[in-house]
Order: sequence, then structure tokens, then C-alpha cells
Amino acid sequence: QQQVKQSPQSLIVQKGGISIINCAYENTAFDYFPWYQQFPGKGPALLIAIRPDVSEKKEGRFTISFNKSAKQFSLHIMDSQPGDSATYFCAADRGAQKLVFGQGTRLTINP
Amino acid sequence: NAGVMQNPRHLVRRRGQEARLRCSPMKGHSHVYWYRQLPEEGLKFMVYLQKENIIDESGMPKERFSAEFPKEGPSILRIQQVVRGDSAAYFCASSRQGLADTQYFGPGTRLTVL
Repeated sequence: QQQVKQSPQSLIVQKGGISIINCAYENTAFDYFPWYQQFPGKGPALLIAIRPDVSEKKEGRFTISFNKSAKQFSLHIMDSQPGDSATYFCAADRGAQKLVFGQGTRLTINP
Repeated sequence: NAGVMQNPRHLVRRRGQEARLRCSPMKGHSHVYWYRQLPEEGLKFMVYLQKENIIDESGMPKERFSAEFPKEGPSILRIQQVVRGDSAAYFCASSRQGLADTQYFGPGTRLTVL
């Protein structure tokens, strides 16, 4: 019940396209859903986060869509650029300060 | 404003030795978290500390692993008698407050056990 399932495991998108990464969770007590971006050899960096009282949050080219009834949330990267190539992790927390991470998606943007 | 600092960045130990990983949180942050990342996997929570207190250690292995966050100085993750399975990247994160406050991650320490 503590798991967060992330898909796909890897994703290749052409420059300018839309990258979509999906996550699903079981624990309805989760109330904070961040996305992290990680480059090789670096620590994860917070990209964008959402709480379940809203269905969508947009920051620049990055959008989180949240479906509370389906217990799913997704990251959309519009106008994907080669510099977006990285590993992306979704996560969830229930206020316990114990982030539960998905397995990660390795995104490659082809020029 | 300096971010979360971790050292060393790379650590090589032989089986049976001890590994000490250090984490200095961001300025003004009093909450520290340790996570472990195995190759090709997501991060797994290990322990959550405040100054001089362990708040949640539910992700820590029962043996050989310990963590502290003293009143002065960095947080320390200590692994005694390391085994090859301890080889991983260990990340520290910090937050200003608890209760769903944003966690900021350091660059990690990559431990290799020979």
C-alpha cells in the first residue's frame, strides 16, 4: 500500500514533442505529490509538486495532472528539449516526511 | 545560499570496514532525511532526524546502520562492517520544517564496497 508505481521505465521523445510520465498509488492518505528530476551523478532536484485539492498545476513547460478518484497523477513536459533528458521520479508523502518514490523514468529527447 | 552538502562524494571501502557519510543541511534547515538508491532503482527512505532526535528510522536496516544529527555539526550516517550489498548512492535531504515541507537533496555519496 506504500508503493508508487511509475511508467514507462524509459521514454524517447522527439524535440518539440510532449513527454508524458504516469504514476499510480494505493494509499489514500498520501497528500503531497512531488516530481523530481535527476541528472547522472547528481541528486534529485524538485521540479514541481501538487496537493490533492487541485487537479492540475502548471509551471512553465511542466504540468502535473492529478486524478484523485483514480489515484493517478502524471507529468507532462511540453515542447520537450534535449536538456530535459534525465531520469524523472514521482513521489508521494502523507505528511510523515517519508517520501515514497516511484521506480523512475529515463527520458531521452532526440534532437 | 549553499545547498545541501554531502561528503565524501565517493567512498570506497573493503568488506568489514566502516563507512561514515556526512550531510550538512541547507542554512536554516533543521530536518534531515537519508535515502538510499540502488542502481536503476528509485530512492528508498531510511531515516528522518531533527537536531539530536531520531524521528523515524523505519527504513533503516536493523543491524550495522545508525544515524545521528548532533546539536553541532553535520548529520552522520554510519555503516559498520560493510558488505557488497551496501554499495549504493546515499542521498541526504533537508527541509526547514517537517510536515510535508519541501525536501531539498544533496549530490549524494556513492559508496562502493570491494
